[in-house]
Amino acid sequence: GENVEQHPSTLSVQEGDSAVIKCTYSDSASNYFPWYKQELGKRPQLIIDIRSNVGEKKDQRIAVTLNKTAKHFSLHITETQPEDSAVYFCAPGGGTSYGKLTFGQGTILTVHP
Amino acid sequence: EAQVTQNPRYLITVTGKKLTVTCSQNMNHEYMSWYRQDPGLGLRQIYYSMNVEVTDKGDVPEGYKVSRKEKRNFPLILESPSPNQTSLYFCASSLSPSGEETQYFGPGTRLLVL
Repeated sequence: GENVEQHPSTLSVQEGDSAVIKCTYSDSASNYFPWYKQELGKRPQLIIDIRSNVGEKKDQRIAVTLNKTAKHFSLHITETQPEDSAVYFCAPGGGTSYGKLTFGQGTILTVHP
Repeated sequence: EAQVTQNPRYLITVTGKKLTVTCSQNMNHEYMSWYRQDPGLGLRQIYYSMNVEVTDKGDVPEGYKVSRKEKRNFPLILESPSPNQTSLYFCASSLSPSGEETQYFGPGTRLLVL
């Protein structure tokens, strides 16, 4: 099955700083690369995704970049705000596992005012 | 409103007492899945279903059963719960069975097995 590693496991930043979370995967056939945000006590929700025919995608303060050769993709958050504090998960899909999904271990992001 | 619903939201039970957690989606999604979430371990897939009557094991299927008799419902069954199944459970659905589409999660069920 797919091996997925997410780093760092915790990230603490000051409001206004940038944050970067990296997800490394093993299945070279994966072609869908989403990031989910889970606020405390809530369900995970998609915040941004990218497909393998695109190298970068941006949505206001968040962006995702993909390096298929190196098999990793990253979440970038600029001008962080306290409401960005949450757990973030990656879950590459569309590969040979077809339906069997492996999530990263999660990154706890804390944004200090 | 497009959504995934789960019931119950909270459950306390005792070892060995069979229980079922229901999951329903109204988006006509082909794919449904169950996850458990434990501190430090992220979301781990228990079972998934790519269509009616088609189910398969995820990474942690031991002690669980599922069924998919209708497209909209995907119940999780614990026939003989044990304390190590105390966890937060999420059901999710997706348009595509290949893992290439967004997962929509239910609100979660917090289970305590005594």
